[in-house]
Amino acid sequence: SQELEQSPQSLIVQEGKNLTINCTSSKTLYGLYWYKQKYGEGLIFLMMLQKGGEEKSHEKITAKLDEKKQQSSLHITASQPSHAGIYLCGALTSDSGTYKYIFGTGTRLKVLA
Amino acid sequence: SQTIHQWPATLVQPVGSPLSLECTVEGTSNPNLYWYRQAAGRGLQLLFYSVGIGQISSEVPQNLSASRPQDRQFILSSKKLLLSDSGFYLCAWSPGPGETQYFGPGTRLLVL
Repeated sequence: SQELEQSPQSLIVQEGKNLTINCTSSKTLYGLYWYKQKYGEGLIFLMMLQKGGEEKSHEKITAKLDEKKQQSSLHITASQPSHAGIYLCGALTSDSGTYKYIFGTGTRLKVLA
Repeated sequence: SQTIHQWPATLVQPVGSPLSLECTVEGTSNPNLYWYRQAAGRGLQLLFYSVGIGQISSEVPQNLSASRPQDRQFILSSKKLLLSDSGFYLCAWSPGPGETQYFGPGTRLLVL
């Protein structure tokens, strides 16, 4: 099973609707990163969360890291076609005292105009 | 500001041929550098990372190798490509270990 689970795997919403993507880890997170990717392109960094309870916003995208630092949610308000793409969460965890980066498999978002 | 480049953007190679993918970072010094492979539905797999010139750590045994001949240059190579080497290769950099990673535009490799 994946160390970092994203849900849902795919999402189709009507323009203007709100949506939430979740990212859950089986390990304590020392950093949680959200990226956006368009098909065939690189990952664009959106935001990073570190502290339990932290919340950050970038335009209409808000991300939160829960208090226990094992889950994050990405919320898009009033979605637009420009929000379409693949959203990936990445995390910094520790494995036997060594930092380790892990990634979810992504959530594919389609916004219908 | 920092930028990261990957070359080429797309590559079609026959089985058994050599490979060289290049990644360069501008606007920073002594970055940590990473090579990932992204497979559909399987997330990103870390292949190699480097904390300095000539220092390469391999995460998974495979048909590929990496080198860092200069501070801001990271190269992914193979002597003989396999069909299973096809995929989307991403290079990333971070200011230091455990810090945010910033990704390049990727190289799509198709081995026929």
